[in-house]
Amino acid sequence: EPEVTQTPSHQVTQMGQEVILRCVPISNHLYFYWYRQILGQKVEFLVSFYNNEISEKSEIFDDQFSVERPDGSNFTLKIRSTKLEDSAMYFCASSEQGLENTEAFFGQGTRLTVV
Amino acid sequence: KNEVEQSPQNLTAQEGEFITINCSYSVGISALHWLQQHPGGGIVSLFMLSSGKKKHGRLIATINIQEKHSSLHITASHPRDSAVYICAVSLYSGGGADGLTFGKGTHLIIQP
Repeated sequence: EPEVTQTPSHQVTQMGQEVILRCVPISNHLYFYWYRQILGQKVEFLVSFYNNEISEKSEIFDDQFSVERPDGSNFTLKIRSTKLEDSAMYFCASSEQGLENTEAFFGQGTRLTVV
Repeated sequence: KNEVEQSPQNLTAQEGEFITINCSYSVGISALHWLQQHPGGGIVSLFMLSSGKKKHGRLIATINIQEKHSSLHITASHPRDSAVYICAVSLYSGGGADGLTFGKGTHLIIQP
């Protein structure tokens, strides 16, 4: 069964460092998303990406964050200068159509720890 | 801003019991998603529905658009159903990609 894969599964970084979280969405999907979940809290939307551009972003997704689809398979989330409060589980997801029409498929997540 | 409320927050039941988890939301939506999150953290989609009712195995999801309410039912519950069940809603995106707004989840424990 096709799946969304995320790497690494766990990353520890020092405050102020840049991190890149990587995702390989399901190959025929056109819509891509990043979400985060701070420990003990609900999942929060960060950004959605469609047709090679950001479609929507939340208030969390400030100038420290960026996304890229550098080739036909990868979808990355970059955090330019990490803060302690960026520590969270980051989930990538993809869908064939918009989420008003189809289900989202989630990766297993990358646990980011900023020290 | 759409608020998604789930109840109960925590639910412990005995194996075999019929389980109901409720979700209500504050503004009009295009679709509602039920998701399952296991202790390891991974999230799996269970249902996407915009009207009526869907069934998959022992799971049943219903939605009432007028009342802005959805329920997830588990029949003949089993310890392997123990997980966090999350309700999330999608607004109409007009052809773009709209993210989901999540509830806080219902932590379900089924005891043998």
